[in-house]
Amino acid sequence: GAGVSQSPRYKVAKRGQDVALRCDPISGHVSLFWYQQALGQGPEFLTYFQNEAQLDKSGLPSDRFFAERPEGSVSTLKIQRTQQEDSAVYLCASSLERSNTGELFFGEGSRLTVL
Amino acid sequence: AQTVTQSQPEMSVQEAETVTLSCTYDTSENNYYLFWYKQPPSRQMILVIRQEAYKQQNATENRFSVNFQKAAKSFSLKISDSQLGDTAMYFCAFMKQSGATNKLIFGTGTLLAVQP
Repeated sequence: GAGVSQSPRYKVAKRGQDVALRCDPISGHVSLFWYQQALGQGPEFLTYFQNEAQLDKSGLPSDRFFAERPEGSVSTLKIQRTQQEDSAVYLCASSLERSNTGELFFGEGSRLTVL
Repeated sequence: AQTVTQSQPEMSVQEAETVTLSCTYDTSENNYYLFWYKQPPSRQMILVIRQEAYKQQNATENRFSVNFQKAAKSFSLKISDSQLGDTAMYFCAFMKQSGATNKLIFGTGTLLAVQP
């Protein structure tokens, strides 16, 4: 596609439910990032993939968070046993090369609300 | 660890006027990049301008320019001839030049409102 596509745009989950958020990066983009953006805050880094390899998952807040990119294209962020503090917008971004000069292309995000 | 600070939660400017958004950062790195990203209400973040730390010349992109003061670790964004479409959240961001992960570290943002 022309840009980074994320789905669903909005997700409401009951506390304790599992959710899966999908990111379809720009075709051919090697690098893929997930960020978490709480209300009124800047995005915070969660994890990074270079092709299918997850090179950095230092930002994942707990072991309830899991991300994968098995074929080096589409990525899924899974949150198990959701908690209210997981409510946020989850942004996906991609870039063409690993050693890029920083221009990330962002999706519109998936807004998760945990009740 | 690197940190980015934006001390202005909200700013307002009249259409066609000039506004400056402030950003300071803290790092022990010598080589890095700094960015300003714009996030309109639709939420899609868009790169506005980029500055390489090794370049002394301030970056400019049409109506957008930066004042990069490396010693002071300051990186402000100037928007000239403000337009209604400039209304958005603006995030300052930092990226190390080295390392396995070229992750961006963002500030908390400044909400800019351009008034007609």
